[in-house]
Amino acid sequence: GAVVSQHPSWVICKSGTSVKIECRSLDFQATTMFWYRQFPKQSLMLMATSNEGSKATYEQGVEKDKFLINHASLTLSTLTVTSAHPEDSSFYICSAWGGQRDQPQHFGDGTRLSIL
Amino acid sequence: LAKTTQPISMDSYEGQEVNITCSHNNIATNDYITWYQQFPSQGPRFIIQGYKTKVTNEVASLFIPADRKSSTLSLPRVSLSDTAVYYCLARGYNTDKLIFGTGTRLQVFP
Repeated sequence: GAVVSQHPSWVICKSGTSVKIECRSLDFQATTMFWYRQFPKQSLMLMATSNEGSKATYEQGVEKDKFLINHASLTLSTLTVTSAHPEDSSFYICSAWGGQRDQPQHFGDGTRLSIL
Repeated sequence: LAKTTQPISMDSYEGQEVNITCSHNNIATNDYITWYQQFPSQGPRFIIQGYKTKVTNEVASLFIPADRKSSTLSLPRVSLSDTAVYYCLARGYNTDKLIFGTGTRLQVFP
């Protein structure tokens, strides 16, 4: 089945640091990639949608200057959390979609971000 | 996007069949109904999706009545490893955006 790889799986860093998370579709071309965050015991919350070569579309309440998204190729999207603070600590998950109506989104295994 | 409603939690025992029903009264004509499974500290894993009637794969069946206002995920003979959160979503035709609801936390006991 379709595989989406997310890296790193876990990162701890100091407050004020910027952190980049990569999302790769390994065996298909992803016309659209999505970024979610999930707090403990809660559901996934969609942060933004990105199409290859276009600017990302952010959901209401998500700061585009804080969460920079780049989707430079059909197999790679990156999320950069700029000047991270403890409140940005969360589980970040990406998904990728190949653009065919009868095919679902496939998710990465998430990145646990802890800001000290 | 259609909002989905499903039970917050369910309990079962190993070897039993589990049916999780999801309500989506406002589903759009072209929306697919999609189910995912999520274990702690992992991303959601696709289980099954359908448009109407019945769909079956190697792990589950999905029943969708003619009015498409609800759907039922059926897991045959669950095991302890099926303990997870199950999400029902209506997948939009034009955007493929997914809005996750609360999901159903399934606990399987020995």
